[in-house]
Amino acid sequence: GENVEQHPSTLSVQEGDSAVIKCTYSDSASNYFPWYKQELGKRPQLIIDIRSNVGEKKDQRIAVTLNKTAKHFSLHITETQPEDSAVYFCAAGDSSYKLIFGSGTRLLVRP
Amino acid sequence: DAGVIQSPRHEVTEMGQEVTLRCKPISGHDYLFWYRQTMMRGLELLIYFNNNVPIDDSGMPEDRFSAKMPNASFSTLKIQPSEPRDSAVYFCASRVFGGGTEAFFGQGTRLTVV
Repeated sequence: GENVEQHPSTLSVQEGDSAVIKCTYSDSASNYFPWYKQELGKRPQLIIDIRSNVGEKKDQRIAVTLNKTAKHFSLHITETQPEDSAVYFCAAGDSSYKLIFGSGTRLLVRP
Repeated sequence: DAGVIQSPRHEVTEMGQEVTLRCKPISGHDYLFWYRQTMMRGLELLIYFNNNVPIDDSGMPEDRFSAKMPNASFSTLKIQPSEPRDSAVYFCASRVFGGGTEAFFGQGTRLTVV
């Protein structure tokens, strides 16, 4: 069945440094790759997404890259701030509209 | 729109009791998803609906779990009988038809079975 693997499970960076989270997916039919941020005790919320016809997308300090051949996609956060501390989830979706999530990365930004 | 609305926010029940979780999706959204979140297993897709019809329930863990969507604005997830290992946060999410559309999550229901 579909599977999304996410690494690392935890990531600690100094404020101002960059953070990179990587995901791989198994279903070659996947064509939509969102990233969600979940703060403690709150709901997951979309921060950025990318479709399979695009290799890279940026939104201020956040960027996502996609390598369809290798079935890899990554989240890049530059100039990290303490408020970036949260759990980040990648996901993969296809034409069936269901989203399969990775296991999550707990990001800690140290002031 | 108030977003996806779930109730109750917290539920504590005794083992063996029936539990019903409720969800109101965003108006106009065609797809509704039920996810379960635990530390060990992350966000698991339990079941999803398209236009009120269940499409894929392969994630439902056991026959003790059932879900319904009687109309476009309401869905329930029922656990009967509940067990301690069902303790988790249950999220409902909805999406609208169209490639690459965002899934909006509700606030979740934290279920504790004692």
